[in-house]
Amino acid sequence: DQQVKQNSPSLSVQEGRISILNCDYTNSMFDYFLWYKKYPAEGPTFLISISSIKDKNEDGRFTVFLNKSAKHLSLHIVPSQPGDSAVYFCAASAHPSSGTYKYIFGTGTRLKVLA
Amino acid sequence: NAGVTQTPKFQVLKTGQSMTLQCAQDMNHEYMSWYRQDPGMGLRLIHYSVGAGITDQGEVPNGYNVSRSTTEDFPLRLLSAAPSQTSVYFCASSYGGGGWRHGYTFGSGTRLTVV
Repeated sequence: DQQVKQNSPSLSVQEGRISILNCDYTNSMFDYFLWYKKYPAEGPTFLISISSIKDKNEDGRFTVFLNKSAKHLSLHIVPSQPGDSAVYFCAASAHPSSGTYKYIFGTGTRLKVLA
Repeated sequence: NAGVTQTPKFQVLKTGQSMTLQCAQDMNHEYMSWYRQDPGMGLRLIHYSVGAGITDQGEVPNGYNVSRSTTEDFPLRLLSAAPSQTSVYFCASSYGGGGWRHGYTFGSGTRLTVV
């Protein structure tokens, strides 16, 4: 049973427009959410994160929104650039009782930004 | 500053062979982990370690062994390779217990094919 779902395998967006990547989760115990970006033949790179006490976190062109009641988060990229073309993974973890976070990753969404 | 280094980048094994995937980090991170990425699935946690001498199982530990004798190194051993272990393997590290504020630093991956 997939606890973290990225239902759109791919997304194409025109350069300069907004990219919106979505992620749904089923486990209400998840408190921490991260987004990673992955280029081909490279490892994922941390992009932005949010904890459940907030509903928005911004870092430059990247904003993550969290809707706890809907168990949904989204990543907004504005404006989109060709260099943003990559696979984006969301990941979630509950608050660790042991002090160690255990992240469940989604299957990824491939973003293509068209010049 | 190399970050997380994985070797080899590619490997082909015959069923039943054993091998060790190497992972080294030079950031003095306490936390290290191994993930596998398969088509249509998110990254799945195999094993992790919160410090030298301490390891624990993740979601999919069967068929894999780990040890952590130093802070820098966290090798992953396949005891008797099976075709189901064909995957891309990523090593990741971070400060503390894998904190959510900064995410993990991932290596560039090892693509393993078992025939």
